[in-house]
Parts: sequence; structure tokens; C-alpha cells
Amino acid sequence: SAVISQKPSRDICQRGTSLTIQCQVDSQVTMMFWYRQQPGQSLTLIATANQGSEATYESGFVIDKFPISRPNLTFSTLTVSNMSPEDSSIYLCSVAGTGVQPQHFGDGTRLSIL
Amino acid sequence: DAKTTQPPSMDCAEGRAANLPCNHSTISGNEYVYWYRQIHSQGPQYIIHGLKNNETNEMASLIITEDRKSSTLILPHATLRDTAVYYCIVRGNTPLVFGKGTRLSVIA
Repeated sequence: SAVISQKPSRDICQRGTSLTIQCQVDSQVTMMFWYRQQPGQSLTLIATANQGSEATYESGFVIDKFPISRPNLTFSTLTVSNMSPEDSSIYLCSVAGTGVQPQHFGDGTRLSIL
Repeated sequence: DAKTTQPPSMDCAEGRAANLPCNHSTISGNEYVYWYRQIHSQGPQYIIHGLKNNETNEMASLIITEDRKSSTLILPHATLRDTAVYYCIVRGNTPLVFGKGTRLSVIA
């Protein structure tokens, strides 16, 4: 399966600031996704990152708060904007091939907002 | 996507088989059953998936009932390293949607 690297692995940020998380895959993939895992909770899908076009966001997530880029088939970024303590979570990148091929996950970015 | 129901927690003795059940009574004909696990501080790890036939790989076996309304993940010889949250997810050609999963504790 693809090797997925996320940077940074963790960060502590001040409220009101923004952070961009990078996801790099070692091979071309069709699908890329971003998830959030709040403390003690399961994973929630934020959006599907589409190459060369705007991401497709799930209900409750908006582009102004979580802008996403995907310039090619191996790289995507998620920005968490104007952060508040409620944004403290693990943010995970996930990738998949076409159809029903399994999704694979990186180890995530652990974000704490003070 | 169809909803799944899993017990919130289970215990298993080390070396014994761990059998994790999952109900998915509203599964559609083109939806697969996927199993993932998440060990603390790591991203979810893919285990196995199937459509209607039983499947086996180096990690586990997946038993799907004939009516496809339920399935069981079997870890044949559980070890302490298998302690994790296990997610059963029904999915078609859409992203994974996670429920709360089953927290499996393997006890020495």
C-alpha cells in the first residue's frame, strides 16, 4: 500500500492563527481525503481533495475554515484557519485508488490550540 | 452508506481467537464490508474487506452471513498488540464513514 507522510506530526498553536498540514504520498493515487478526530472521538470526514478543482466538503465543514489544495496526484494540503481551542484534534490524510479499493491513512497531525 | 452496529467493547484472552461482530442490516448490493483498526496514537490500519464471500489474509478472517446483514472479524490468535479500536464500515464507491467501533482489549 502507499506510504503516506504528514507534516507536521504535531504542533501547538495560538488561537487566531492558521496552520497548513501537508500530505505526501509515495505513489500517484486517485482519491485523497481529509479527516478530523477530536479527543476521544471517532474519525469525521472533512472533505475530498480533488486534483485541479475545489474540494468537496462534508456537511459542517466550509472552505473558509478548512481550505484544501491538491496540485497533483501525490500531494495535498489542509489549512486550519483562525484556530480556536475547539480545533484541537488529530487531522488525518487518507488515500485510495479507484472504486472499492481500500483507503489507507497516514498517522495524522496532532494539533493543540492554546 | 449503510449504518453498522458494533458492541462498544470486548475482552479477549491472549492467544485465544477474538471474534468481533458487526450488524449491517441495511447494506446494499454493491456495498462492501471493510474492517479497520486504530491503535492508540496511530492512523487507522486497513485489515480486510469483502462483498459476500468469506475472506482471509495474513491478519484476519472475515465471515459474512449469507444474507449479508452481519459479519464477524476473526483474529485467530490475539496478542497484546491487537489491543485497539476496531471499525466495521460498509462502503460503496464513497469515502469511509466511521462509527464508534469496538474497543478490543487483549488480556494477558
